[in-house]
Amino acid sequence: DTGVSQDPRHKITKRGQNVTFRCDPISEHNRLYWYRQTLGQGPEFLTYFQNEAQLEKSRLLSDRFSAERPKGSFSTLEIQRTEQGDSAMYLCASSLLQGNSPLHFGNGTRLTVT
Amino acid sequence: QKEVEQDPGPLSVPEGAIVSLNCTYSNSAFQYFMWYRQYSRKGPELLMYTYSSGNKEDGRFTAQVDKSSKYISLFIRDSQPSDSATYLCAMRLNNDMRFGAGTRLTVKP
Repeated sequence: DTGVSQDPRHKITKRGQNVTFRCDPISEHNRLYWYRQTLGQGPEFLTYFQNEAQLEKSRLLSDRFSAERPKGSFSTLEIQRTEQGDSAMYLCASSLLQGNSPLHFGNGTRLTVT
Repeated sequence: QKEVEQDPGPLSVPEGAIVSLNCTYSNSAFQYFMWYRQYSRKGPELLMYTYSSGNKEDGRFTAQVDKSSKYISLFIRDSQPSDSATYLCAMRLNNDMRFGAGTRLTVKP
């Protein structure tokens, strides 16, 4: 399977704990995006990388959230001191470098904060 | 007013029906328009990607864009139970991409 891969698929954590998600993009894709999706809503943009550089962050990305893409390949999204409002599906997507190439999504990590 | 408006449904049709899904948007600067299909507990899957006004056909799917009215549509012909999913419209200007809330479609055998 050469699509976008995300791990884990599900994560249940207690409020206040830290969690980390991983995304492996399509290998030839330079751009990598993180989105959050809640029930009944479309995906909301969090941040994106071009190679290893984080070029844009949404105001939704509070200081408890940090994303990295150290070698321009896989990426991690960490949430510190999780809150119940962080419960959502976290989606990773990747695209080619060309400005308006379509995004290809992974199957997401579903986070439940109890 | 949301930047992208999409009727959430739910929409239920019999197998074989023609399905029409629609979105309106407010930012006339959007240039690229997409439709994604999302099955339950899966990520969105790209179905159609268009740039200009007009129609684009791919098998049973036709995407229509009317930039003057800021209105896009997805038509599904000969709908199948396997088409049952949530359909998300999306539009893009450079790195700014916005999604509709999705329309949940059920095709009954």
